[in-house]
Amino acid sequence: SQQGEEDPQALSIQEGENATMNCSYKTSINNLQWYRQNSGRGLVHLILIRSNEREKHSGRLRVTLDTSKKSSSLLITASRAADTASYFCATGVNDYKLSFGAGTTVTVRA
Amino acid sequence: KAGVTQTPRYLIKTRGQQVTLSCSPISGHRSVSWYQQTPGQGLQFLFEYFSETQRNKGNFPGRFSGRQFSNSRSEMNVSTLELGDSALYLCASSSKSPGGDGYTFGSGTRLTVV
Repeated sequence: SQQGEEDPQALSIQEGENATMNCSYKTSINNLQWYRQNSGRGLVHLILIRSNEREKHSGRLRVTLDTSKKSSSLLITASRAADTASYFCATGVNDYKLSFGAGTTVTVRA
Repeated sequence: KAGVTQTPRYLIKTRGQQVTLSCSPISGHRSVSWYQQTPGQGLQFLFEYFSETQRNKGNFPGRFSGRQFSNSRSEMNVSTLELGDSALYLCASSSKSPGGDGYTFGSGTRLTVV
């Protein structure tokens, strides 16, 4: 079973616009991570936010975490064509595994 | 430094056969995890190894097994292949447990069972 659920399932934006996707999860977590996947290849780790953190930035990425609502959001600012990919949130619970959501497919139009 | 290396990249097998997939983690990473990705079920955890010990196993039948060697390289084996085993199998390594700094994934092995 999947711990996280991403919303929306798909997102199409114009180059230069911001993209926001959300992730909800069910149980208490140790950390939440976001990954990117291009065309069915391996996942690339984007950012990790721990349960005691509320916001984190990395380049054009901004992640928030609200443990009271069991939700997280990933914002990509000033999107580029290269940001076209699937984005997954994954939760870690100190049990040596990640539980992934179904992912959000982002298409950036030139 | 070299990333996580998975071999082979593509594999076609017949129902009933068995298959072994290999994963070499990033040098110094002692935790290796395996995930199965399918369009229907998404990314599902298979198992995790640390210092040759399996610390967690996902909800998969006993046909799925794995092991880790003293050099941290890992293999997973699927016996008596079924059509439903067709998937992208991803290996990930981490320097900390449990994945405290995030995981580095390989490019995966795409297994097709015919």
